[in-house]
Amino acid sequence: GENVEQHPSTLSVQEGDSAVIKCTYSDSASNYFPWYKQELGKGPQLIIDIRSNVGEKKDQRIAVTLNKTAKHFSLHITETQPEDSAVYFCAATETGRRALTFGSGTRLQVQP
Amino acid sequence: SAVISQKPSRDICQRGTSLTIQCQVDSQVTMMFWYRQQPGQSLTLIATANQGSEATYESGFVIDKFPISRPNLTFSTLTVSNMSPEDSSIYLCSVEPPQGRETQYFGPGTRLLVL
Repeated sequence: GENVEQHPSTLSVQEGDSAVIKCTYSDSASNYFPWYKQELGKGPQLIIDIRSNVGEKKDQRIAVTLNKTAKHFSLHITETQPEDSAVYFCAATETGRRALTFGSGTRLQVQP
Repeated sequence: SAVISQKPSRDICQRGTSLTIQCQVDSQVTMMFWYRQQPGQSLTLIATANQGSEATYESGFVIDKFPISRPNLTFSTLTVSNMSPEDSSIYLCSVEPPQGRETQYFGPGTRLLVL
C-alpha cells in the first residue's frame, strides 16, 4: 500500500519568515495530495490540495508544489504569522481507493 | 464544504465498556470514513462506512471491535467495543461530498480516554 513520509517533525520559525514542509510518497499512481492543518483540540482542516496534472498551486500565503517524477510534494507558507502555529499533515490517495494515507505530521511553531 | 458534527465531543470510559460515536453531516455525501488518531500521532484509517452495506475495514481493524453503521447518506456511527486503555485516542469521521473527487472534510473528533 501507499506510504507517506513527512519532514521535519518539528519546525520553528520567526514571524514573517517562510516555512517549508516536505513529503514523499511511494505509490506512483497516487493522484491527489491534500494538506491539512490541525489546531489543538480540533479536527484536521483542509488548507490546500493538488492533483497530479498540476505542478504548483497557490492560495494567498500558501503554496504546494508537486514533483511526480521524484514522488515528492511540499507545502510552502510565506510571511508566517503566530496563528499559523499548528500541526500540518500531508496525505495521498492510493490507486483505486478514496481513503487517504497520512504523513506523520509537522508541528510548526511561529515565534512572534 | 460540508458541516460535520460528532457526538460526544469527549468521554472518559471504564475498560470493558463500549462507546458509540455519532457523525452527522448537513448534506448527503457519497463517502464517509472513520479514522483514529492516537495521542501525538498521525491519522490511521479504520474503515470506510458504506451506505446500505457492511463497512470496509483496513488491515488491523475488525468489525467485532469497531462495528460501524451507516443507515443513510448523512449519518454514521462507530462503536468502540470492550475498551482498553490502548483505545484512548481521538476518533474522527470524514466525508467526501458528491463530486468531491477525493476531497475529504473532517469532523471535530471525539476524544476518548479509557481508564
